[in-house]
Amino acid sequence: AQSVTQPDIHITVSEGASLELRCNYSYGATPYLFWYVQSPGQGLQLLLKYFSGDTLVQGIKGFEAEFKRSQSSFNLRKPSVHWSDAAEYFCAVSTPGTYKYIFGTGTRLKVLA
Amino acid sequence: EPEVTQTPSHQVTQMGQEVILRCVPISNHLYFYWYRQILGQKVEFLVSFYNNEISEKSEIFDDQFSVERPDGSNFTLKIRSTKLEDSAMYFCASSEALLSGRDPYEQYFGPGTRLTVT
Repeated sequence: AQSVTQPDIHITVSEGASLELRCNYSYGATPYLFWYVQSPGQGLQLLLKYFSGDTLVQGIKGFEAEFKRSQSSFNLRKPSVHWSDAAEYFCAVSTPGTYKYIFGTGTRLKVLA
Repeated sequence: EPEVTQTPSHQVTQMGQEVILRCVPISNHLYFYWYRQILGQKVEFLVSFYNNEISEKSEIFDDQFSVERPDGSNFTLKIRSTKLEDSAMYFCASSEALLSGRDPYEQYFGPGTRLTVT
């Protein structure tokens, strides 16, 4: 069965520092991969997605993610974090033949001033 | 920019009561979904809906749940007899159709309805 693992439940970084949030998936082929952000009391906003092609994808708000097939990973990165990035981040996968998303457990990001 | 809307934002109900959660998907989307997120847990898929029928459902989506597209704009989730464990945030999502040339895999989420069962 497909699964998504986000190993870090909480991450704290200082404003201006770089950020990497980890995501690993379990699936026999290459799934479709997504990162969503959820601010407190808000819905889920798509940051970026990977379907095929270039393994480094750019998203909104200065985020990028790199798909590494050999590691079954799709880690999210940002070179310089802003206080407004404090939120919960969810990695999700979907696979051909089904449209449902399988979400990871999320990583809560705290940003120190 | 078009967005998915959900009403109400917060619903409180007593155990055993029926609730209907409402969603208005983006107007040209043809795939609709419900997910739920129990407090502190991950977002879980409940059901997907296309062409006026359920296309996929999870184990969570048992007989107490139903979905409907009563008109051209609304998409509803009904819980017939609520239980305490149904307390969660419920998200509606929608995506475009294959024939639009866009990828149906990108889902747009609403802000959610927080359901509290007492």
